[in-house]
Amino acid sequence: GAGVSQTPSNKVTEKGKYVELRCDPISGHTALYWYRQSLGQGPEFLIYFQGTGAADDSGLPNDRFFAVRPEGSVSTLKIQRTERGDSAVYLCASSLNGGYSGNTIYFGEGSWLTVV
Amino acid sequence: AQSVAQPEDQVNVAEGNPLTVKCTYSVSGNPYLFWYVQYPNRGLQFLLKYITGDNLVKGSYGFEAEFNKSQTSFHLKKPSALVSDSALYFCAVRDMDSNSGYALNFGKGTSLLVTP
Repeated sequence: GAGVSQTPSNKVTEKGKYVELRCDPISGHTALYWYRQSLGQGPEFLIYFQGTGAADDSGLPNDRFFAVRPEGSVSTLKIQRTERGDSAVYLCASSLNGGYSGNTIYFGEGSWLTVV
Repeated sequence: AQSVAQPEDQVNVAEGNPLTVKCTYSVSGNPYLFWYVQYPNRGLQFLLKYITGDNLVKGSYGFEAEFNKSQTSFHLKKPSALVSDSALYFCAVRDMDSNSGYALNFGKGTSLLVTP
C-alpha cells in the first residue's frame, strides 16, 4: 500500500480483556516499529523488528505486551489483561532498512485504544 | 543515553511572520535528527531530517532546520507561517553509536498556533 496501515483505528475494551492491534507496513520495508503515545506526550518506543525477528523489545512495559511479525511484513501487537493505564494511541512505523541507518521512519495513523 | 528537549510547550505566531520551534538533543555519538508534524487525531508526518552534510536541511511545506553541533540544536524554521501550519511538532533523535539501540527518541512536542 501507499502508507503504513493500522487496524482498528479505534478500540474500546473492558479492563482485563485481550486486545490485538494490527500493522501493515509500507511494501518492501524491512524495519517495523511500534510506539505508544499518551495524551500530551511524545511517542515512546516499544519494539523494533528487522524482518521477522524482534531486534529490540526494550521498550515493552511488561510481559502483558507482546508483538509478532511472522512473515516479515504484517505485525500484530498483543496486550493481555488490559489495564486502564494502557489507554493510548499505538503507532506503527516502518522504514526501508533498520539498524543504525538514517532511513526515514514513516508512521501510520495509529490505533486509539481505550480501556474502560 | 539519548534524549531530546523541546523547551516550549506552545509557540504562537501571526500568519506571515517567521516561526521557530526549538529542539536540543543529547547523544553519546553523532546524531540523526528528525522533525515530524502531527495534526489533531492523526499520525505523525515526516517533515525533514539531518543525517550528514549541509547543516541547513530543507523539507516539506517550506520548513527548514539547521543542525548546530556546538549548541546541540536542531531548530525548525519557516520564513512565513500559514494558519494551516498550526499543529503539534515533534523533534526526534537517533544516535549513530551502535550501542545506543534502535529507537527514535522523541521530544514531548511543541504546539504551534498560527493566528490570522
